[in-house]
Amino acid sequence: DTEVTQTPKHLVMGMTNKKSLKCEQHMGHRAMYWYKQKAKKPPELMFVYSYEKLSINESVPSRFSPECPNSSLLNLHLHALQPEDSALYLCASSQAGVGSPLHFGNGTRLTVT
Amino acid sequence: AQKITQTQPGMFVQEKEAVTLDCTYDTSDPSYGLFWYKQPSSGEMIFLIYQGSYDQQNATEGRYSLNFQKARKSANLVISASQLGDSAMYFCAMREGNDYKLSFGAGTTVTVRA
Repeated sequence: DTEVTQTPKHLVMGMTNKKSLKCEQHMGHRAMYWYKQKAKKPPELMFVYSYEKLSINESVPSRFSPECPNSSLLNLHLHALQPEDSALYLCASSQAGVGSPLHFGNGTRLTVT
Repeated sequence: AQKITQTQPGMFVQEKEAVTLDCTYDTSDPSYGLFWYKQPSSGEMIFLIYQGSYDQQNATEGRYSLNFQKARKSANLVISASQLGDSAMYFCAMREGNDYKLSFGAGTTVTVRA
């Protein structure tokens, strides 16, 4: 079983909807990540939170809004998405340090209609 | 510029045989970490093995081993005794210095044949 839990597993939303993706980890990791992955492509980094502060935003459109309520939780709020935003959204966590692997959740498969 | 290069889009391997997945990287930071992940069709990214830039020995984890050639900037993954469950996409990835960011290569799809 993965130690990073993402909900929901699947999400279908219209372009005018507002929804949220949730991620939780209890490994004591102080860094949490959102990645977007299109089919047969590598994951692309969206956001990194370090010690509950946003440390990296890879020029992500404002229709994606991250939130880190505490060290165990990470949310991604979605609003006014486009069909091209349909993808697998992966959450991950890690310790600091170059040798610390990222631990990924199972992802949320998002379809925007 | 591409930091991680995986030149093999797809590979076929016979069950019980070994397979080598190529990965080259580019960095000027003396401190970096190299990682391999497996992604089955279900979507989960599974961490397999890690090699640090200062490690003197090649990393091994069960049937996975990493052929680390620092001067050539390559970190190839070797999977021994392939199993049908090894069929998946494999990504090479790198973290540099104090950067939190993990950068991925394009990936290699491995199909194990019975």
